[in-house]
Amino acid sequence: GAVVSQHPSRVICKSGTSVKIECRSLDFQATTMFWYRQFPKKSLMLMATSNEGSKATYEQGVEKDKFLINHASLTLSTLTVTSAHPEDSSFYICSARDGSGVEETQYFGPGTRLLVL
Amino acid sequence: GENVEQHPSTLSVQEGDSAVIKCTYSDSASNYFPWYKQELGKRPQLIIDIRSNVGEKKDQRIAVTLNKTAKHFSLHITETQPEDSAVYFCAARGGTSYGKLTFGQGTILTVHP
Repeated sequence: GAVVSQHPSRVICKSGTSVKIECRSLDFQATTMFWYRQFPKKSLMLMATSNEGSKATYEQGVEKDKFLINHASLTLSTLTVTSAHPEDSSFYICSARDGSGVEETQYFGPGTRLLVL
Repeated sequence: GENVEQHPSTLSVQEGDSAVIKCTYSDSASNYFPWYKQELGKRPQLIIDIRSNVGEKKDQRIAVTLNKTAKHFSLHITETQPEDSAVYFCAARGGTSYGKLTFGQGTILTVHP
């Protein structure tokens, strides 16, 4: 299947700093990428839908100024957690949808574990 | 928007038994239903999916059934093995949300040797 990478795999930062997470589709072009947040033993909560070349669509309750998403190319989307606080600590996972038309499968990245001290 | 309910939240079986996980969805226009397996600390992996024009799909020990009228779909794992132990998520793609998946709450499956 298609491969999606995510970097970094884990990050520890101080409260008030910003953290950038990259999501890349390695062997296909992803016109759409999705960012999820997952708490321990919980389901995946969609944060936003990232479309190449346009603004991201945020889910209700997700602060767009805090979670900045950029999808500058067909293979890269970034999520920046601005002014991170301990409550932002979580597992962040991206997924990429194959943009070849009919394909509906979403392929997930390995996730980024963020710990804010 | 779409709402997906998944049951049970935990499921414990003996090796060799079958396991069944059920999901219901609310949007009658939903047309794509994938199932993901997630091991601890790992990414969700697609194990099987079904589209709304099909009632059943099977891949070796895994099968999925879809009842569009009742708006529910189920995952069936036969001859379970300890390595099947993981969290399983169902999802549905709503008819009005291009590409966006709504996930169920997850089922922790434990297969005892």
